[in-house]
Amino acid sequence: DTGVSQNPRHKITKRGQNVTFRCDPISEHNRLYWYRQTLGQGPEFLTYFQNEAQLEKSRLLSDRFSAERPKGSFSTLEIQRTEQGDSAMYLCASSPGTGGKSPLHFGNGTRLTVT
Amino acid sequence: AQTVTQSQPEMSVQEAETVTLSCTYDTSESDYYLFWYKQPPSRQMILVIRQEAYKQQNATENRFSVNFQKAAKSFSLKISDSQLGDAAMYFCAYRGDKIIFGKGTRLHILP
Repeated sequence: DTGVSQNPRHKITKRGQNVTFRCDPISEHNRLYWYRQTLGQGPEFLTYFQNEAQLEKSRLLSDRFSAERPKGSFSTLEIQRTEQGDSAMYLCASSPGTGGKSPLHFGNGTRLTVT
Repeated sequence: AQTVTQSQPEMSVQEAETVTLSCTYDTSESDYYLFWYKQPPSRQMILVIRQEAYKQQNATENRFSVNFQKAAKSFSLKISDSQLGDAAMYFCAYRGDKIIFGKGTRLHILP
């Protein structure tokens, strides 16, 4: 068990560019979550997957955002036409089973800076 | 929709003293879970303690304990014998299908 891994750790991009982040959950964790966190705030839910199925998307996830988990293992989060307001830490987390009492195990996050 | 409220943006405590962080939540569900997470400056979220709503007994993990008042929808965290390593952001979280976090309390430990 190597924990949740996120890549890259940091990403600086110019406004209007597309970016993609990757998350590798703890193996055999069925659920995978994406959160966004701005400085001094709590993580905000974006979306989550049960295996390869995307079960819920927050209204924070505009049509410029898309997330996939094609084989039920790793996941990618893509942001198209980035805006300065997208600058944040993007956190990935995973948990076993179908929810319930299992806490989320978080990765170190990907910090996005849009200039 | 569930909400989680942490009314103390920042708190300070003297090393070795006890501090209590407050959290209230709102839900219409009867079965759920509550968590406290710690986020040190390195930013990885770490689980501190969990509480199942159907259990009346308050959870305890070493120096960390909770005061869970289900009827009042209150879930406070008590840290005893505070240590310098306890300095971090603390987030209260409600667990349904997803976890909803409060805005956090920044805890400072004064040497």
